[in-house]
Amino acid sequence: AQKVIQVWSTTSRQEGEKLTLDCSYKTSQVLYHLFWYKHLLSGEMVLLIRQMPSTIAIERSGRYSVVFQKSRKSISLVISTLQPDDSGKYFCALWEPQQGTGSKLSFGKGAKLTVSP
Amino acid sequence: NAGVIQTPRHKVTGKGQEATLWCEPISGHSAVFWYRQTIVQGLEFLTYFRNQAPIDDSGMPKERFSAQMPNQSHSTLKIQSTQPQDSAVYLCASSLDLGGAETLYFGSGTRLTVL
Repeated sequence: AQKVIQVWSTTSRQEGEKLTLDCSYKTSQVLYHLFWYKHLLSGEMVLLIRQMPSTIAIERSGRYSVVFQKSRKSISLVISTLQPDDSGKYFCALWEPQQGTGSKLSFGKGAKLTVSP
Repeated sequence: NAGVIQTPRHKVTGKGQEATLWCEPISGHSAVFWYRQTIVQGLEFLTYFRNQAPIDDSGMPKERFSAQMPNQSHSTLKIQSTQPQDSAVYLCASSLDLGGAETLYFGSGTRLTVL
């Protein structure tokens, strides 16, 4: 069963707009972390945001922020003032501790964003 | 710090041939992960090493796929008798793995195409 669900698989926006990418997750763990990554055309996966359940609902990093609704198991990535360089694929990920085996990240299927000038 | 290095960037094999993918984790990182990315399945976890020991290979196909980490500076993912459905981008990542949710640092990936 998919642990991380991203609804939008592809979307297009104009430069200057604001975009929200939704992500929901399933976990029975108390301690877990959530991440948003951007997959660059070069192949690299770049960390954008890290959210822990114990912190405030919104964390910001430059033009990236999240809306975290713990009770709904939802974390949305908000990108303000879109730029063409924001084009790429965005992945939501869930980290859960694994009994006896360390930890593992589960990823959503990703959302491809195209920003036009 | 050069980041996680994966080679080759692109690999094309014929059906039935063997493919070996290489990963050099960030120096000092004790955890190495392998993921596979396809359009259909998204990003799938394959396997995970900690201090060179295999910890979790629950995502590895039972046949034809194997992963090793002979030393702390590199890991390999080997696919025997490659099939067209093995075509994907294979991503390697490393982290400090101190017991918490350390950030994973990904390499640029190896795009495998099986003809």
